[in-house]
Amino acid sequence: DTAVSQTPKYLVTQMGNDKSIKCEQNLGHDTMYWYKQDSKKFLKIMFSYNNKELIINETVPNRFSPKSPDKAHLNLHINSLELGDSAVYFCASSQEGSSSGGEQFFGPGTRLTVL
Amino acid sequence: AQSVSQHNHHVILSEAASLELGCNYSYGGTVNLFWYVQYPGQHLQLLLKYFSGDPLVKGIKGFEAEFIKSKFSFNLRKPSVQWSDTAEYFCAVTPYEGRDDKIIFGKGTRLHILP
Repeated sequence: DTAVSQTPKYLVTQMGNDKSIKCEQNLGHDTMYWYKQDSKKFLKIMFSYNNKELIINETVPNRFSPKSPDKAHLNLHINSLELGDSAVYFCASSQEGSSSGGEQFFGPGTRLTVL
Repeated sequence: AQSVSQHNHHVILSEAASLELGCNYSYGGTVNLFWYVQYPGQHLQLLLKYFSGDPLVKGIKGFEAEFIKSKFSFNLRKPSVQWSDTAEYFCAVTPYEGRDDKIIFGKGTRLHILP
């Protein structure tokens, strides 16, 4: 059984388009996250949600909008895609927050390529 | 600003060699510390973590790490590496600030083990 799943795995699109990445976890965790990993493998947190409530909103363009319909899902919608948005996007979940020593479980990643 | 530094970007070792990957963080307060590993083609997974107690932490696959508070360090060690340890290793820090679960990742160290 896949614990944290993301769709699609690969996404190739043109500049200016709007796209969404979906994430689902079946672990019953309360907290979910989105990370961006750039071409140099630098992993940076974008958002975190706890029980559908936004907890962390790092400095990302407001073209990025997370949506959590329920605590098992955290989708990422991106408007007006730019070349610099090309990266691998990881979803993760945890039962306890990292500040409580909680382990994060990561999804397989979505490789977004903007042409 | 809080940050995590991994000094070695790319390490190449022969099998059976000993390994030490450096990790330093900049934050004066209480922290939780993690090492995550990303094997080729796979998603990130937790290797070990320090939350409290014994500063020498043992993880999976024979890895261990030592938290030295005075040096703001959390170096990862393994006495004898195997070819299957080839992967990307990420050190991560969560400043203990209660509800804010901001986890900061280092830029990763790519470990390549020669058979």
